[in-house]
Amino acid sequence: AQSVTQLGSHVSVSEGALVLLRCNYSSSVPPYLFWYVQYPNQGLQLLLKYTTGATLVKGINGFEAEFKKSETSFHLTKPSAHMSDAAEYFCAVSDRGKIGGFKTIFGAGTRLFVKA
Amino acid sequence: EAGVVQSPRYKIIEKKQPVAFWCNPISGHNTLYWYLQNLGQGPELLIRYENEEAVDDSQLPKDRFSAERLKGVDSTLKIQPAELGDSAVYLCASSLTGGAPGQETQYFGPGTRLLVL
Repeated sequence: AQSVTQLGSHVSVSEGALVLLRCNYSSSVPPYLFWYVQYPNQGLQLLLKYTTGATLVKGINGFEAEFKKSETSFHLTKPSAHMSDAAEYFCAVSDRGKIGGFKTIFGAGTRLFVKA
Repeated sequence: EAGVVQSPRYKIIEKKQPVAFWCNPISGHNTLYWYLQNLGQGPELLIRYENEEAVDDSQLPKDRFSAERLKGVDSTLKIQPAELGDSAVYLCASSLTGGAPGQETQYFGPGTRLLVL
């Protein structure tokens, strides 16, 4: 069965500092991996996803994530935090085309605080 | 292009009352999802439709929850009767399924925040 673990329910960084949000997964098959962002009172919005090919994935708003199979990780980074990055971030894993469908499992989320 | 539309945005009811949520997915999206999101948690799938067919409802508490997606477009999620523990945000999402399943981007609505008193 798949699972997603996001290390740290809250992360606080200063404006301009590196953002690192951690995500580890378990999956019995090569997974699809996603990062979504949720602003207050809004739905989730895709930041980036890994499906196949290059393991370093670039997304919107300057975020990127690297799929590391050996570490079963998909950590999200941004070189320089902006105040507008303050939000909740969710890592998700989806299995690949199992007969009968697929399942997407979301992590519990990490709330990012950005200090001025 | 309009996103996923949900209504109502907020709902307060007393326990044992019925409640219904409505979702209009992005035009052309054949897959529709209903998720439950508790405070401080990630979304948990309740049901997934591909067109009119519910292809995964394994997490839907069928004793009190029901859903339908008539004509493969709009969908309604109903709870009857509501319990205190049903207080949460109910998210609807849609995606365009094609190619390898599981890799689609899901587009989320703003959710319906339910409070059961």
